Amino acid sequence: DAKTTQPNSMESNEEEPVHLPCNHSTISGTDYIHWYRQLPSQGPEYVIHGLTSNVNNRMASLAIAEDRKSSTLILHRATLRDAAVYYCILRGGSNYKLTFGKGTLLTVNP
Amino acid sequence: DVKVTQSSRYLVKRTGEKVFLECVQDMDHENMFWYRQDPGLGLRLIYFSYDVKMKEKGDIPEGYSVSREKKERFSLILESASTNQTSMYLCASGGLGSTDTQYFGPGTRLTVL
Repeated sequence: DAKTTQPNSMESNEEEPVHLPCNHSTISGTDYIHWYRQLPSQGPEYVIHGLTSNVNNRMASLAIAEDRKSSTLILHRATLRDAAVYYCILRGGSNYKLTFGKGTLLTVNP
Repeated sequence: DVKVTQSSRYLVKRTGEKVFLECVQDMDHENMFWYRQDPGLGLRLIYFSYDVKMKEKGDIPEGYSVSREKKERFSLILESASTNQTSMYLCASGGLGSTDTQYFGPGTRLTVL
């Protein structure tokens, strides 16, 4: 499985944008980039996914580098409820299981 | 809103007991999954089911069994609980494809004494 690398932790202030990076230098051409997050004492929840183009939804935006070796999850205005562990994972082919690494613990300061 | 529910949020059992963890989804998904999550080890797949009465082993099936008698319900069974099965257990349902989403329940934190 292709691996992803994320910073262990990041900090942000409420109402400010947050850019969460993810490196995936061994990504294959058919791998989709998915982001999930896990709030304290909750199960993971889907955030967004993309292949090549940048993607937006009501929760976040996903910016994908042209060479696809890295991506950035963008929360446009962080709230206290966005404090969570964010996981960047790759899904391709017959990879039906989700493999989460350590993720990035996002702290949001009031 | 899509929903995956798990029978208990917290459970304490004794070594050797038989333990049942239940999961119900309301999204009519064919596929359901059981994972366990441990600090430093991430998420690991125990079993998944792709249809009623059908199951596949995941990465760590030893010590566990599963049951899927109805499409919406997927049970994880610890035949004889051991202390090394103390963990957070997460049920999910969803697709298998690379563009598909998996929807998770809130988790059951199981402690085996």
